[in-house]
Amino acid sequence: LAKTTQPISMDSYEGQEVNITCSHNNIATNDYITWYQQFPSQGPRFIIQGYKTKVTNEVASLFIPADRKSSTLSLPRVSLSDTAVYYCLVGDKRGSTLGRLYFGRGTQLTVWP
Amino acid sequence: GAVVSQHPSWVICKSGTSVKIECRSLDFQATTMFWYRQFPKQSLMLMATSNEGSKATYEQGVEKDKFLINHASLTLSTLTVTSAHPEDSSFYICSARDQTSKGRAYEQYFGPGTRLTVT
Repeated sequence: LAKTTQPISMDSYEGQEVNITCSHNNIATNDYITWYQQFPSQGPRFIIQGYKTKVTNEVASLFIPADRKSSTLSLPRVSLSDTAVYYCLVGDKRGSTLGRLYFGRGTQLTVWP
Repeated sequence: GAVVSQHPSWVICKSGTSVKIECRSLDFQATTMFWYRQFPKQSLMLMATSNEGSKATYEQGVEKDKFLINHASLTLSTLTVTSAHPEDSSFYICSARDQTSKGRAYEQYFGPGTRLTVT
């Protein structure tokens, strides 16, 4: 599985846009990029998933350049409740029945008032 | 939809005893469930893949005789920590994969976790 690299921590203020970049230089052709959010003492929560270009949902946007060697999770107008650890994962082959997830260290985002 | 529950949410046990943790998919069926362990300030570590009706697949370095996994139905997997010791104290999280998902890398839903403290 492709290894991912993320900043260990980031700080922001309420109302700002936060961009967390993840590097995955060895991503395979059929791999997806997925981001999870985890609050203390809770299980991870799916945020967004993409394969290429840009994906947007009600929570975040995911930007993936053409070479797919990195991706950027964008959180618009963060609030204090967005303080959490964010994990970038790169997946198994599309359609794999394995489904195992290997989490990296993640990025601790702290939002200040 | 897609809710996964765990029971208990926290447990304290004495060293040498066994503890069972349940993971249930409440509104979908899951032929595959996963168990993770997370120590404070660390990332999730995949322990094993639980397959309904068959033996679990353990990740390298995880003792299968210590962490017994049973996946007896499409909505329930259990993790039993046998002869628990203080070093087994951790946050145990399960996830369940919606068996109807096709063609996507990830369709997993995580439980809220179980805090195990061994004294």
